[in-house]
Amino acid sequence: GQSLEQPSEVTAVEGAIVQINCTYQTSGFYGLSWYQQHDGGAPTFLSYNALDGLEETGRFSSFLSRSDSYGYLLLQELQMKDSASYFCGAGSARQLTFGSGTQLTVLP
Amino acid sequence: EPEVTQTPSHQVTQMGQEVILRCVPISNHLYFYWYRQILGQKVEFLVSFYNNEISEKSEIFDDQFSVERPDGSNFTLKIRSTKLEDSAMYFCASSGLAGGTLLKETQYFGPGTRLLVL
Repeated sequence: GQSLEQPSEVTAVEGAIVQINCTYQTSGFYGLSWYQQHDGGAPTFLSYNALDGLEETGRFSSFLSRSDSYGYLLLQELQMKDSASYFCGAGSARQLTFGSGTQLTVLP
Repeated sequence: EPEVTQTPSHQVTQMGQEVILRCVPISNHLYFYWYRQILGQKVEFLVSFYNNEISEKSEIFDDQFSVERPDGSNFTLKIRSTKLEDSAMYFCASSGLAGGTLLKETQYFGPGTRLLVL
């Protein structure tokens, strides 16, 4: 089975940098994904790490350390539209299990 | 840009009734999924489907649930006898091949069907 832990909420100001951590316990781990969800809308894929290290996609970066069963999502130059829930997801061979989500609030 | 579509957007039903939720995955994708999200909670995996059969299912996906790909484009979730606790948003997702590497983790979600069981 899989279980993922992430903070329930994070608050930051516009223009700042925020890091959302995720620790996991899984069997048959493939890699760590990150999804964004606005107000119960469709989750949107942000990033995926199969290997240790940092993946950068524009203002978003994601990091994975398999030895520590840990990853994070880094959001830079925060904008108001970044206020949303962020889920880490651990993929095994045939399913994706999500953490409980981190509600990010960006303040002006 | 291709997208996953779902119908209906909202469904209200009486407890004990059968419902069918419909999804049209992205056309060249090979893996299909159903998830649910109870209001205020996390997205929960229900089932994955590949090569016309169930690939994986969670404990939530009991005998009252079934999935089907009746033709080359639709993917359905049937709940045979709905319970109050089935009230949730149901998301369909699909994933496929990219550059020869199967990226199941890059899943594209539909807008969801909000199911309310009374």
